Amino acid sequence: DARVTQTPRHKVTEMGQEVTMRCQPILGHNTVFWYRQTMMQGLELLAYFRNRAPLDDSGMPKDRFSAEMPDATLATLKIQPSEPRDSAVYFCASVWTGGSLVMEPQHFGDGTRLSIL
Amino acid sequence: SQKIEQNSEALNIQEGKTATLTCNYTNYSPAYLQWYRQDPGRGPVFLLLIRENEKEKRKERLKVTFDTTLKQSLFHITASQPADSATYLCVLHGSGNTGKLIFGQGTTLQVKP
Repeated sequence: DARVTQTPRHKVTEMGQEVTMRCQPILGHNTVFWYRQTMMQGLELLAYFRNRAPLDDSGMPKDRFSAEMPDATLATLKIQPSEPRDSAVYFCASVWTGGSLVMEPQHFGDGTRLSIL
Repeated sequence: SQKIEQNSEALNIQEGKTATLTCNYTNYSPAYLQWYRQDPGRGPVFLLLIRENEKEKRKERLKVTFDTTLKQSLFHITASQPADSATYLCVLHGSGNTGKLIFGQGTTLQVKP
């Protein structure tokens, strides 16, 4: 079965450090989403790309977060500088979308569990 | 603002019984609704999608209903098994080609042998 791959699975670092999370979407999928999950807020959409172009990053704190797709097989989410409140599980999801973004189920990776001390 | 409500308390049932999970939403008119399953330490996995013009959708032991008047979806698992124990997420799509999903907080189901 094709899977979305996220690395690292776990990351513990000190406040102020840069954190980079990576996602390899399923081959052939052209839309990639980044989510954050916490106990308090549940799953929240941070940003998403279609055909490597950013479509919406309104859910992301712009001053410290950045998301990119250097190529079709890699999406990155960076936090710089990191803060304790960024501690969460970050998920990447991918899907192939043709004419409509809304109908296809998304395929999720198993997430990066981030702890900022 | 748009809001999705799922039972925050865990649902505990006996193996073989039917589990029914509820999803209510407000200030929203979703064109589609999905249900996902999430196991501890894993990402959500898609289960079923239902459109606003569909009343009911079935897949094996799973059944989803969608009542746009009540603004409610019900998710049923018949003949439940301990392996069905997980958190189930209700997910709404808006109309329009935005691709944005809104997730409920999820309801944890525990099926006891």
